[in-house]
Amino acid sequence: DADVTQTPRNRITKTGKRIMLECSQTKGHDRMYWYRQDPGLGLRLIYYSFDVKDINKGEISDGYSVSRQAQAKFSLSLESAIPNQTALYFCATSDLGPGGSYEQYFGPGTRLTVT
Amino acid sequence: RKEVEQDPGPFNVPEGATVAFNCTYSNSASQSFFWYRQDCRKEPKLLMSVYSSGNEDGRFTAQLNRASQYISLLIRDSKLSDSATYLCVVNRRGSSNTGKLIFGQGTTLQVKP
Repeated sequence: DADVTQTPRNRITKTGKRIMLECSQTKGHDRMYWYRQDPGLGLRLIYYSFDVKDINKGEISDGYSVSRQAQAKFSLSLESAIPNQTALYFCATSDLGPGGSYEQYFGPGTRLTVT
Repeated sequence: RKEVEQDPGPFNVPEGATVAFNCTYSNSASQSFFWYRQDCRKEPKLLMSVYSSGNEDGRFTAQLNRASQYISLLIRDSKLSDSATYLCVVNRRGSSNTGKLIFGQGTTLQVKP
């Protein structure tokens, strides 16, 4: 079984709809992240959480909100989806690697299309 | 200027070739460095961390040059299965040691038979 799972894997929704993307992990990591990936722009950080009570905005948090329901679960919501939120969304977890730096592990991604 | 810059490629090389990618970063406060591999429409996967002394993992060698603020990845004896996008990633520690990563756009490698 995958260590980091995301649901749904693909979603098509209409402008103005509320949508939630879910992420679960079995790695036991405290730190979790949400990114979006767009062609030519690379991965950009939306929100991150260091534990259940600690949630922080990333570089592109406008239009998004998150909920850390438990150590293992971190959800991303689009309150009112718009077409420029069409992207590939990744959840990630991290822990200290052997070299003393935080290595991140990604879920399989959710491909979201807003029409 | 982007904080992490890579040549997007694509680099088209024959099987067995040696290929090198470079990546530059602009923030001298950057502390940790990584190469991730991403296959088409899949999630990024950690390929290797990059240490100050340089490190090697089989056919892959990573180097860090702090003075010039660049990181390199060398792949020897390229395989068809090495075809992917390689992401240069930098961790810039703030006072809170955030563990936030800054991703380059990626360099695409196509290995041909």
